Parts: sequence; structure tokens; C-alpha cells
Amino acid sequence: EAGVTQSPTHLIKTRGQQATLRCSPISGHTSVYWYQQALGLGLQFLLWYDEGEERNRGNFPPRFSGRQFPNYSSELNVNALELEDSALYLCASSPEGRRLFFGSGTQLSVL
Amino acid sequence: AQSVTQPDIHITVSEGASLELRCNYSYGATPYLFWYVQSPGQGLQLLLKYFSGDTLVQGIKGFEAEFKRSQSSFNLRKPSVHWSDAAEYFCAVGAPGGSYIPTFGRGTSLIVHP
Repeated sequence: EAGVTQSPTHLIKTRGQQATLRCSPISGHTSVYWYQQALGLGLQFLLWYDEGEERNRGNFPPRFSGRQFPNYSSELNVNALELEDSALYLCASSPEGRRLFFGSGTQLSVL
Repeated sequence: AQSVTQPDIHITVSEGASLELRCNYSYGATPYLFWYVQSPGQGLQLLLKYFSGDTLVQGIKGFEAEFKRSQSSFNLRKPSVHWSDAAEYFCAVGAPGGSYIPTFGRGTSLIVHP
């Protein structure tokens, strides 16, 4: 069974640009979570999607947005990139809303 | 809202020594509790979980954790550490029912000396 896959692995952007990160959950998982892992700050919750709907979002500005597609895959969009957006972005899926299964992440570098 | 504290940023142990990583949580009732491990450049892998029942939980890779309600703790232990255990360890707490958003601690970096 394939795990959670994220693409791209690395992404380099310049300040002000937009970034799009993609996530494919484990087959059968309907929930997708996005977390930001900045150096030394642990995991900060970004967004939670379930059955195609945004269920909750963390304390991040509106330029962080995303969506979930009918096949439950998801994308995270970050507009007007700032230097402090440089981080590892982790996607996780869940079968029942308790255990999270994580992908390997997308390392976003903003120059 | 729930919160998690991992008081140790770094822990250094010698290979073969025992290990205990501390985790304290704040939540009004019995939460769901998890320990995850992250190797460099990788995502998080679930080591073990507690939902209910026996307070001593066995996980993968020889790890165990004990839920102590009176101390609001869920410490991770391993009797004999291997060099391959060097990684970042995260404790997480989730609220049963309702809007389920796991909250993670800031992590403890485990360094293993030969």
C-alpha cells in the first residue's frame, strides 16, 4: 500500500511569488492535514480537509489556502511568499480522524 | 484547547543506555496521546498511541510509553538505545470527538553517542 506522497520534494521561490504544494493521501483516507515545520518551532497546524471541505484552519494568514479534490488529494497554496515561509510543509492523511500518517514533506525555500 | 510540552530540547545518551523522553499535556479530560519519530529530511512515523485502556503502551522499535493521568504525562521509554534511534521525537495530543486537530510538542532531539 502506497503511503502519503507529496510533491515536489524541494521548491525554491523568491519573495512575492506563489507556491503550490501537492499531497496524495493513502487510499481510503478522506482526511488531509497540512502542517508547517519551521526550524525550531515544531509542527504548526495549517489546514484540515475532510470529504472535500475545509474543516478547520490554524493561525495563519489568508494567503495560506488550499483545497481538496474529489479523489481526496489536496494542494496547499501560499501566495505572496515571505522569507519566513521557508519551512518543511508536511501533509498527513487519516482514516478515522485519530492516527495521522505523514508524507516526507516539501521543503520550501524562499529567497 | 489542548497543549503539549516537551521540556527537553536535546537529550544525549550513550548507545545501550536507557532512555526516557518527557511529555506533559494539558487537556480537561483523557486525550488521545501519540509519540512520533522524525529522521532527518523525513516525515513523521507513528511510534505508539494511547486511546484508552491499559496505561502502558507498547510501540514499534522497542519503545513504550506510560500514561499517568495524575501527572498529565505520557513519557516515552526504551531500555537500550541503538545508534539508529538518533532522531527528533514528537509527542502529540488529540481531543476525542468533535473537531479533531492533533497538537504537537516542539520535539526532543535525541543524540546517541557510541
